[in-house]
Amino acid sequence: DAGVIQSPRHEVTEMGQEVTLRCKPISGHDYLFWYRQTMMRGLELLIYFNNNVPIDDSGMPEDRFSAKMPNASFSTLKIQPSEPRDSAVYFCASSAQGTVYNEQFFGPGTRLTVL
Amino acid sequence: QKEVEQDPGPLSVPEGAIVSLNCTYSNSAFQYFMWYRQYSRKGPELLMYTYSSGNKEDGRFTAQVDKSSKYISLFIRDSQPSDSATYLCAMSPDNTDKLIFGTGTRLQVFP
Repeated sequence: DAGVIQSPRHEVTEMGQEVTLRCKPISGHDYLFWYRQTMMRGLELLIYFNNNVPIDDSGMPEDRFSAKMPNASFSTLKIQPSEPRDSAVYFCASSAQGTVYNEQFFGPGTRLTVL
Repeated sequence: QKEVEQDPGPLSVPEGAIVSLNCTYSNSAFQYFMWYRQYSRKGPELLMYTYSSGNKEDGRFTAQVDKSSKYISLFIRDSQPSDSATYLCAMSPDNTDKLIFGTGTRLQVFP
């Protein structure tokens, strides 16, 4: 299995530009999670989906952030317009329904720098 | 106050030392407790998990949960340079799929 795939791995953009991060979860996994990691705040859950439906988006910081999951094998996280404080590593993770401890499998992350 | 608190470190120890990593939490509903390990520039990966209170051992690693004190620990025996990573605790109540993570403790094991 290829694991969770994220693209791009690195993104450098200027303030005000639109940024789109992409994620392909592990085949057969029902849950997909988007996280943001910074030194100051650690790993923060932004939003998660179950069977392509958003379940909890309470961690999405502002209306500038949006996430979609059009099908079971693809999700996007969009920031429009981007700001320097959005600079962070964004992780996508997936898990399979029914596991006792809900192990989440993380992708390699997208390192976003907003200038 | 955050739901899960974790000392960010860094914690620097010599090879062979016993390492103790800890988290405290405030939500008494948490039942599932996990430790994730994150190497530099990689995503976190599950290291150990426990349900409710008690101990669990896996090789050099031991996870402990004290629900009465709302305190969990991860012990690493005979630490190795390859254990150098950030360790994140994570937890959740029953019947949810959302994990609450600590901020992580960076561990450095020097030869």
